[in-house]
Amino acid sequence: EVQLVESGGGLVQPGGSLRLSCAASGFTFTNYWMSWVRQAPGKGLEWVANIKEDGSEKYYVDSVKGRFTISRDNAKNSLYLQMNRLRAEDTAVYYCARWHVWGSYLDYWGQGTLVTGSS
Amino acid sequence: QSALTQPASVSGSPGQSITISCTGTSSDVGSYHLVSWYQQHPGKAPKVMIYEVSKWPSGVSNRFSGSKSGNTASLTISGLQAEDEADYYCCSYAGPSTLGVFGGGTKLTVL
Repeated sequence: EVQLVESGGGLVQPGGSLRLSCAASGFTFTNYWMSWVRQAPGKGLEWVANIKEDGSEKYYVDSVKGRFTISRDNAKNSLYLQMNRLRAEDTAVYYCARWHVWGSYLDYWGQGTLVTGSS
Repeated sequence: QSALTQPASVSGSPGQSITISCTGTSSDVGSYHLVSWYQQHPGKAPKVMIYEVSKWPSGVSNRFSGSKSGNTASLTISGLQAEDEADYYCCSYAGPSTLGVFGGGTKLTVL
């Protein structure tokens, strides 16, 4: 059974940093691109970042470029999102998701972790 | 990349059919047969219902169907059931070296 379990969310002051983690199991992690998608309270979904199977390619939404870094540790079957210089508008539930690259769809999602940027 | 355009809300009675539209541009929906649809119940993670415009993932009811014409994709739900009440999001591939783009979401109310 495919499982994605996020952790690391919490309350952080604007300008602060946070590192989200996503533990993957039930599939061959090295065969898949992985993604982070966020959802602000009461709002829609926003694709935040993608990372290739081997970590050699990474893509970001414009609003987080230069502040967020997506990474993965294939030996640990884990995905990460390092979030620096957090802003109030980064407040959202952050979902880890597996990207089925050939069909371009997110086929498995974690339960999400809440990041609140507030003073 | 701008968000795809969806109606904010749709509604229907049990047993009826409804259709949710998703309008993009010639750079995303219009150029690729790679539109997916997600269902999200309150407080839950999204779940893929349709991919590649009209394909069903394993376990998804065939009451859900998808189509595309030009820059607009559509999700049709037939035989509406109370459990279909949820938010629905479309998403389109927008080219290499880019992220997918989501629609703003549509709240489906089953009357």
